[in-house]
Amino acid sequence: NAGVTQTPKFQVLKTGQSMTLQCAQDMNHEYMSWYRQDPGMGLRLIHYSVGAGITDQGEVPNGYNVSRSTTEDFPLRLLSAAPSQTSVYFCASSYSGIQHFGDGTRLSIL
Amino acid sequence: AQSVTQLGSHVSVSEGALVLLRCNYSSSVPPYLFWYVQYPNQGLQLLLKYTTGATLVKGINGFEAEFKKSETSFHLTKPSAHMSDAAEYFCAAAGAGNNRKLIWGLGTSLAVNP
Repeated sequence: NAGVTQTPKFQVLKTGQSMTLQCAQDMNHEYMSWYRQDPGMGLRLIHYSVGAGITDQGEVPNGYNVSRSTTEDFPLRLLSAAPSQTSVYFCASSYSGIQHFGDGTRLSIL
Repeated sequence: AQSVTQLGSHVSVSEGALVLLRCNYSSSVPPYLFWYVQYPNQGLQLLLKYTTGATLVKGINGFEAEFKKSETSFHLTKPSAHMSDAAEYFCAAAGAGNNRKLIWGLGTSLAVNP
């Protein structure tokens, strides 16, 4: 049972590049979410999904897209990377309010 | 709107001393409450949770927390700190029912000194 798997673990991008952060869970959880974690700012919700085919915006959605074609996968897309998107990104899946986190993707935008 | 406040962004204790990390929530309806721990370069993992019932909740690694409705608090304690407890601790709240979105505190970094 792998839980929540995020890839890649590290990534460096140039401003303007696009990329997709992958997230997969094997617990059959309906609810999944993406957060970014920045020093002194805690966890901020980017997007979330309550099930396949359903996504919604969190508190900081600008510059990011998501889709949920299957229960297992919830990729996060950066459309045109900006230095302000340098952060650590966490994916989580949830059941009964308990969130299970991946180990994060550390993203640097130059 | 719900909010979660963690008092003290950094707490330092000596090994063997009491650990007390403070969390207050703002809500007209008692929510579900959680404490998560984050070790360096890792994701968050659940320490303990309060939903209903007993207000003193025991979690992993010897931690416990008490839900006090009158004080809207959910402080985390451990009687004797260990070096391995050094980590970031997050308090979170969620509404009852199907709403699984968590409202997060900003975190408290715990340092344990030998």
